[in-house]
Amino acid sequence: DGGITQSPKYLFRKEGQNVTLSCEQNLNHDAMYWYRQDPGQGLRLIYYSQIVNDFQKGDIAEGYSVSREKKESFPLTVTSAQKNPTAFYLCASTPGTGLYNEQFFGPGTRLTVL
Amino acid sequence: AQSVTQLGSHVSVSEGALVLLRCNYSSSVPPYLFWYVQYPNQGLQLLLKYTSAATLVKGINGFEAEFKKSETSFHLTKPSAHMSDAAEYFCAVRGGASYDKVIFGPGTSLSVIP
Repeated sequence: DGGITQSPKYLFRKEGQNVTLSCEQNLNHDAMYWYRQDPGQGLRLIYYSQIVNDFQKGDIAEGYSVSREKKESFPLTVTSAQKNPTAFYLCASTPGTGLYNEQFFGPGTRLTVL
Repeated sequence: AQSVTQLGSHVSVSEGALVLLRCNYSSSVPPYLFWYVQYPNQGLQLLLKYTSAATLVKGINGFEAEFKKSETSFHLTKPSAHMSDAAEYFCAVRGGASYDKVIFGPGTSLSVIP
């Protein structure tokens, strides 16, 4: 089955730690995205990548970093500079850059800071 | 800048009643519009999308939405609510200045009362 996988499903971080969230897709999609979801605030874009080895900051990139070394993988690192990282993180992809293309979402990773 | 508003952060309907979830957008150019559904602790799933082919769009699970340019609206409806429709619903827009991003509304939580 084609789709997007995110791991882990739940992640706990201590203060001052960096953690990396995995996102893998086997849909052969060009573009990939990372969103943060907080209660009552919808989805906010962290980073996105339209091709391999290239990515752009979204609306709330501070304290996060990404890489896109392979088409199918787009890992997100939450650094210690992110002061309030507790949230639900969603990875998504789209098949190309057409504006009519919908996004396909992974199941999400819930990050909690201890 | 583009934006999406969803009137009512929480909507309750009785089982079998009409579902109406409101979405208004601001865009300087004709946009592409989407409705997504999210069940608890899961990723988002596409319900339907408007791509200018027809103003009345039919989606999955009996949902449909009508694009009204004069009202800049894209409200989601379903004639008869089912218990399984209880979820969070997000309206999203793409196009114009933010052509490479999707702008999500804050979401509407739908409760279905038996």
